[in-house]
Amino acid sequence: EVQLVETGGGLVQPGKSLKLTCATSGFTFSTAWMHWVRQSPDKRLEWIARIKDKSNNYATDYVESVKGRFTISRDDSKSSVYLQMNSLKEEDTATYYCTTSGSYGDYFDYWGQGVMVTVSS
Amino acid sequence: DIQMTQSPASLSASLGETVTIECRASEDIYNGLAWYQQKPGKSPQLLIYNANSLHTGVPSRFSGSGSGTQYSLKINSLQSEDVASYFCQQYYDYPWTFGGGTKLELK
Repeated sequence: EVQLVETGGGLVQPGKSLKLTCATSGFTFSTAWMHWVRQSPDKRLEWIARIKDKSNNYATDYVESVKGRFTISRDDSKSSVYLQMNSLKEEDTATYYCTTSGSYGDYFDYWGQGVMVTVSS
Repeated sequence: DIQMTQSPASLSASLGETVTIECRASEDIYNGLAWYQQKPGKSPQLLIYNANSLHTGVPSRFSGSGSGTQYSLKINSLQSEDVASYFCQQYYDYPWTFGGGTKLELK
């Protein structure tokens, strides 16, 4: 059974940093492309980052709104993917989901339960 | 960025009814479209990918169709467990983008 478990969320002040962790099991993590998707309080979904596998040099992509502030990374030995979030803004307030990439394209075939991040002073 | 427009934003239907949700892309996405179901308090779950392929374990009353810029999700014989929000997503071109969602309720 595929499992994705996100941790590390919480309340943080604007300008501060937070690191999310997604621990996975039940599939071959080392060859999987992984994503982070967030859902704002008004329920809108936004893809924010992707990391490819070792054979693709762990290439990363980001949505424009988080470029230069967020960093996606992975540790294949721990079957985990991370999201380092710096210079947080109030508009980053959302539930953050870790997802796997589909076999036929960048859709999201398995999702974690999500972790809440609130950016507020 | 490719804009995804879903309609309607909300929908009320009766048990056993057939429901259709539409999704329009701002440009041709060549069937690079997925549909998700999100029940209250839960994470989204994949229903359909490649516009019309059913994800593993998804009931056959769900189906997807369309091409070019126009796509639809159909739910045959609506069940109580189908009460949820539904989202479309294009993955033809970076950045991957979602529609605004359709909230489906029982009449």
